[in-house]
Amino acid sequence: GAGVSQSPSNKVTEKGKDVELRCDPISGHTALYWYRQSLGQGLEFLIYFQGNSAPDKSGLPSDRFSAERTGGSVSTLTIQRTQQEDSAVYLCASSLVGGSGQPQHFGDGTRLSIL
Amino acid sequence: LAKTTQPISMDSYEGQEVNITCSHNNIATNDYITWYQQFPSQGPRFIIQGYKTKVTNEVASLFIPADRKSSTLSLPRVSLSDTAVYYCLVGGDGGATNKLIFGTGTLLAVQP
Repeated sequence: GAGVSQSPSNKVTEKGKDVELRCDPISGHTALYWYRQSLGQGLEFLIYFQGNSAPDKSGLPSDRFSAERTGGSVSTLTIQRTQQEDSAVYLCASSLVGGSGQPQHFGDGTRLSIL
Repeated sequence: LAKTTQPISMDSYEGQEVNITCSHNNIATNDYITWYQQFPSQGPRFIIQGYKTKVTNEVASLFIPADRKSSTLSLPRVSLSDTAVYYCLVGGDGGATNKLIFGTGTLLAVQP
């Protein structure tokens, strides 16, 4: 389809394991965002990419979280040594360019459960 | 960042028009007003965006008064499938990032 695609849709893993979450943005969208939504909570910004660069990583909760984007397209969010508090839905969004006035288009997220 | 205030929940019936008002007293000159809809187990879906006056698309209208301190999302003739959480957002972070700051949203429950 033409929308933002995320995989896997669900991920269950044991505490202490590493996980990788993937996002395929809308083709041609240069801006890419990662957010996290915990149960019953609003969305929390994690990181912003413009092209392959991440000028804003201010929302990453700890150094266990990292993300990269290659070819100005696919992005991967990696969580190392997962903890139970990392359980949440991780959402990716893209927009044509960054900046105010640019609507962001979201994928349906990866539901991460840490046992 | 402009803070937004919107009702926690609203109830409606099928076929009615629903208006959800959002207050944003501290909106900045260059801020846009954007509404998103979110269903359970899905990501937020962009509905409509405006800067001033009225904007209409195939699913909704957005009314913005001259002072831009509030906005009203209007959903014509709602159906059961419009039951969702609706988020009002203003601007971004004021910088190039445009990270979205979501509040708690309005849970719209449409009944038959």
